[in-house]
Amino acid sequence: DIQMTQSPSSLSASVGDSVTITCRASQAIGNFLAWFQQKPGKAPKSLIYKASILQSGVPSKFSGSGSGTDFTLTITSLQPEDFATYYCQQYNTYPLTFGGGTKVELK
Amino acid sequence: EVQLVESGGGLVQPGRSLRLSCAASGFKFDDSAMHWVRQAPGKGLEWVSGITWNSGFIDYADSVKGRFTISRDNAKNSLYLQMNSLRAEDTAFYYCAKDVDLAYWGLGTLVTVSS
Repeated sequence: DIQMTQSPSSLSASVGDSVTITCRASQAIGNFLAWFQQKPGKAPKSLIYKASILQSGVPSKFSGSGSGTDFTLTITSLQPEDFATYYCQQYNTYPLTFGGGTKVELK
Repeated sequence: EVQLVESGGGLVQPGRSLRLSCAASGFKFDDSAMHWVRQAPGKGLEWVSGITWNSGFIDYADSVKGRFTISRDNAKNSLYLQMNSLRAEDTAFYYCAKDVDLAYWGLGTLVTVSS
């Protein structure tokens, strides 16, 4: 199975900050990587697919990059609604696998 | 608008069975692969099972292989998950999701396995 390692597992930031989350795959997955946002008590929401393509309706403050084994999610100008947990997921190979999550908290 | 609505969750004793359903609307269901993903309370996301549009390819996580069965009825725009021999560690919110990149998710249904 492909292991997905996210870092950091949590971070504290202020409104207006920019943050970057990294996701590393245990083997190359091309660009078959998605990012999700999850708020407490809610279902995950897809933000990005194919490593860098924004889902419809997702604001451009979210951006993704990378290919192969190393990927990043960057969120600029953090707003209160952006404080949540973020997950990466590879869909190059079954079983589909997720990173452990990164909790973005208000400093 | 894509909508996915899960149902069938509840409290069940260890060793018993439960069948989850996912009703889909707002897209061409018989063109889409579908998946089940679960999340134990306070934990991360775990892919459970997936099925292609025509049921030609099905796969399961090792943790549920041999106990869970995924299926679909394209005429009813519905996805199912038959869960047998349930264990305490199967306690989780179960979500259905569309396509291999999990572009759309339902709200989830809670399965609690406890005596």
